[in-house]
Amino acid sequence: EDQVTQSPEALRLQEGESSSLNCSYTVSGLRGLFWYRQDPGKGPEFLFTLYSAGEEKEKERLKATLTKKESFLHITAPKPEDSATYLCAVADSWGKLQFGAGTQVVVTP
Amino acid sequence: EAQVTQNPRYLITVTGKKLTVTCSQNMNHEYMSWYRQDPGLGLRQIYYSMNVEVTDKGDVPEGYKVSRKEKRNFPLILESPSPNQTSLYFCASSSRAGGSEQFFGPGTRLTVL
Repeated sequence: EDQVTQSPEALRLQEGESSSLNCSYTVSGLRGLFWYRQDPGKGPEFLFTLYSAGEEKEKERLKATLTKKESFLHITAPKPEDSATYLCAVADSWGKLQFGAGTQVVVTP
Repeated sequence: EAQVTQNPRYLITVTGKKLTVTCSQNMNHEYMSWYRQDPGLGLRQIYYSMNVEVTDKGDVPEGYKVSRKEKRNFPLILESPSPNQTSLYFCASSSRAGGSEQFFGPGTRLTVL
């Protein structure tokens, strides 16, 4: 059975304090790994798709990496506006999407 | 503007009173899906549709129905809502299943008393 586990559940950072979020997964035939950002009371917003081990994607202060068993979302020099819940999801060979429970990130000035 | 819309955004109802949550997308997407989000459990898929007239169960389909008569619309129907269906519901669409990004609606917060 496909599983997606995100850690930590919550992360509190000082502005400028870089950190990483983890998404470990087991899936039969990875078709893609997705990162989304979700603000309170809103729908998830797409950030990245990673398709194969070794792939990296960057967007502003965020960088996503992928290995065969896990993905990391690195937040470099975060700002308060980076506060959100970050969701990881994997698509299996059938196209089914499985989400992790998310990591809630709070960045304080 | 490319978007997924849901209505209503908030709904309080009573046990057993049938309700429908509408979902519409303007991106000509083939694939649409419904999720519920509960604290600590993340997003769980209720139903999905690969195309018009093609729907299938997700992980938590009990107590829900869907239909896909037109490409742009994918309503979620609760025939006899119960308190355990109190949740935050999201509709999403993508150009294809699996390997493409999903666009999510703004969410519908449902409370069943």
